[in-house]
Amino acid sequence: DQQVKQNSPSLSVQEGRISILNCDYTNSMFDYFLWYKKYPAEGPTFLISISSIKDKNEDGRFTVFLNKSAKHLSLHIVPSQPGDSAVYFCAASDSNYQLIWGAGTKLIIKP
Amino acid sequence: DTAVSQTPKYLVTQMGNDKSIKCEQNLGHDTMYWYKQDSKKFLKIMFSYNNKELIINETVPNRFSPKSPDKAHLNLHINSLELGDSAVYFCASSPPGYNQGHGYTFGSGTRLTVV
Repeated sequence: DQQVKQNSPSLSVQEGRISILNCDYTNSMFDYFLWYKKYPAEGPTFLISISSIKDKNEDGRFTVFLNKSAKHLSLHIVPSQPGDSAVYFCAASDSNYQLIWGAGTKLIIKP
Repeated sequence: DTAVSQTPKYLVTQMGNDKSIKCEQNLGHDTMYWYKQDSKKFLKIMFSYNNKELIINETVPNRFSPKSPDKAHLNLHINSLELGDSAVYFCASSPPGYNQGHGYTFGSGTRLTVV
C-alpha cells in the first residue's frame, strides 16, 4: 500500500521554463512533507520541506505547495536549469518522524 | 569532509557469502538509518538506531544485522546473501526531530550485486 505516490516516473522540461513535480498521499496523519533531490551514484539530498500548517514554502527557485484537502503537494522549480536534472523524491512523516517515500520522478531539463 | 560516508561503494559477491557495509557520520546526529532502494526505486527503511539502541526493525530478514559500536557508526552485516538482496543500500542520519526541516543526511549508497 503506497502511502506516498509520485505518479510520473519522468518529466522533461525546457531550460528556463517551470518544472512542476507532483506528489499525492493517503495518510491524513502526515504532518510534514519533504522533497529530496538525487543525482546518479549519490545519496538523496534535502531540498525543501513544508509543515502541514502551511500551504506554501519558498526557497529561491524552489516552491512547495500543499493542498491538504486534496492530499496533494507539488514542487515548482522556476526557472529550470540543466543542473536541476535529477530524480526528485517526495517524502512524508507523521509525529513519529518516520519518513515514507514516493518512488521518485526523474526530471530532465532540455537545453 | 563527507558528512555520512559508507563503504564500499560497490560490492559484488556470490550467493551464500557473508558481507558487511560500513557507515560513519560526523554530524553529531543521534539517529542513524539503513535504507534499501529496491528495483522499483522505492526507499524502504530497514533499521534505525538512536544512541546505539535499535528503535525500528521493519520486517527485515534476520540475515541482516545492524551493529552500532557508537552513535557515529552503524554497520550492516548480511549473512547468507541471496539474489534478492541485490539493491542499493543507503545509510542516513538525522538530528532529533527534523531540525527545522532539514531531514536526513544520506550517504552515497552501496550498490550490492549478488551473483
